[in-house]
Amino acid sequence: QVQLQESGPGLVKPSETLSLTCTVSGGSISSYYWSWIRQPPGKGLEWIGYIYYSGSTNYNPSLKSRVTISVDTSKNQFSLKLSSVTAADTAVYYCARTIVGATVNYYYYYMDVWGKGTTVTVSS
Amino acid sequence: QSVLTQPPSVSAAPGQKVTISCSGSSSNIGNNYVSWYQQLPGTAPKLLIYDNNKRPSGIPDRFSGSKSGTSATLGITGLQTGDEADYYCGTWDSSLSAGGVFGGGTKLTVL
Repeated sequence: QVQLQESGPGLVKPSETLSLTCTVSGGSISSYYWSWIRQPPGKGLEWIGYIYYSGSTNYNPSLKSRVTISVDTSKNQFSLKLSSVTAADTAVYYCARTIVGATVNYYYYYMDVWGKGTTVTVSS
Repeated sequence: QSVLTQPPSVSAAPGQKVTISCSGSSSNIGNNYVSWYQQLPGTAPKLLIYDNNKRPSGIPDRFSGSKSGTSATLGITGLQTGDEADYYCGTWDSSLSAGGVFGGGTKLTVL
């Protein structure tokens, strides 16, 4: 079955750019949406944004000015860049396969496969 | 401050039933489907319920979901100690600040 694995530096200095990659195995990245979600220590989940395999994106308005999500279909990977980080960006970062769509009346959006998560600490 | 409101904690004895509420507004729960996630200690969230009341393959029917108006409810029957976890509701918010939103999470303790 499909598995996701996050990778990237576990420590980032304040004001620098956080960069993470999610590798998709056991299935193709095509035809799906892919999200990044984070969880600060002891807190709840925060949606960062998603990307469609074709490259279209949608970002959390509160992070939009600092976030870039990209996809590399040849490597079955998608990536997250978060610029100008501060201690408030310290969190476990998850990547997830995302189901997005709409019926006549309702919009559906959920994450059906998650990576194990990677801890990123912002500190000098 | 989460867009969706959940109780911080609930508890019940093994074998009993518990419900977890998730309250939102017309821009999110009221007009979109709700999903629920279980996060066991030290692990990633896992999809429990999608499209308000559907269970992915492998999720036991002890877990159920419902929605009414701008609120949703997760129900768990026949509680087991292994159900101790944090539970999150999620949906899409179609307001001007459109995006994915989650509840603040509910810690379930099985006494």
